[in-house]
Amino acid sequence: ETGVTQTPRHLVMGMTNKKSLKCEQHLGHNAMYWYKQSAKKPLELMFVYSYEKLSINESVPSRFSPECPNSSLLNLHLHALQPEDSALYLCASSQGFTGVHYGYTFGSGTRLTVV
Amino acid sequence: EDQVTQSPEALRLQEGESSSLNCSYTVSGLRGLFWYRQDPGKGPEFLFTLYSAGEEKEKERLKATLTKKESFLHITAPKPEDSATYLCAVRVTQGGSEKLVFGKGTKLTVNP
Repeated sequence: ETGVTQTPRHLVMGMTNKKSLKCEQHLGHNAMYWYKQSAKKPLELMFVYSYEKLSINESVPSRFSPECPNSSLLNLHLHALQPEDSALYLCASSQGFTGVHYGYTFGSGTRLTVV
Repeated sequence: EDQVTQSPEALRLQEGESSSLNCSYTVSGLRGLFWYRQDPGKGPEFLFTLYSAGEEKEKERLKATLTKKESFLHITAPKPEDSATYLCAVRVTQGGSEKLVFGKGTKLTVNP
């Protein structure tokens, strides 16, 4: 495996379900990110894990919760989602903020549909 | 509030027809401007980083330039494989942490 791997690629879930999105980076980076991408909207930063610290965008609802088991994994737990949460969820990594010069490396995303 | 505006939203070109995409920004404390390419069903792919006004970067048919208020992505003699959505992002410092603020993107279609 190389780069940033996201699973699953597609997910359909009901509003009462609990599911998890997984993200693993194989680049030795020390910062990871979750972004939400909705049609005709800019990418929205949800969470950042960097230098063993988790930062949260305060506008993100509590039905999304991140988990960082180690520096290579950043999972996103989903609970009681709403239809408006349907979007492409992208995970990315970078070599800290100084490594951002080389840009974030993004995974292919999870296309989430809430029914 | 930090903002990034890209124009046009969509652009259709004939193969070989050169054009430019625009990214204007209003940020406090710019610490880099980034261009990404995103193909359907995939994550964004890094293209360029620009740091200071007057800076230029090139890659194949693409050239990115930066001024104090905006950046341009020039596409010279595009080919159908250049069709994608191009995203612009600025790196900003907020509350002691850094993040990338993205524009909505420009969807480019190059017809053969």
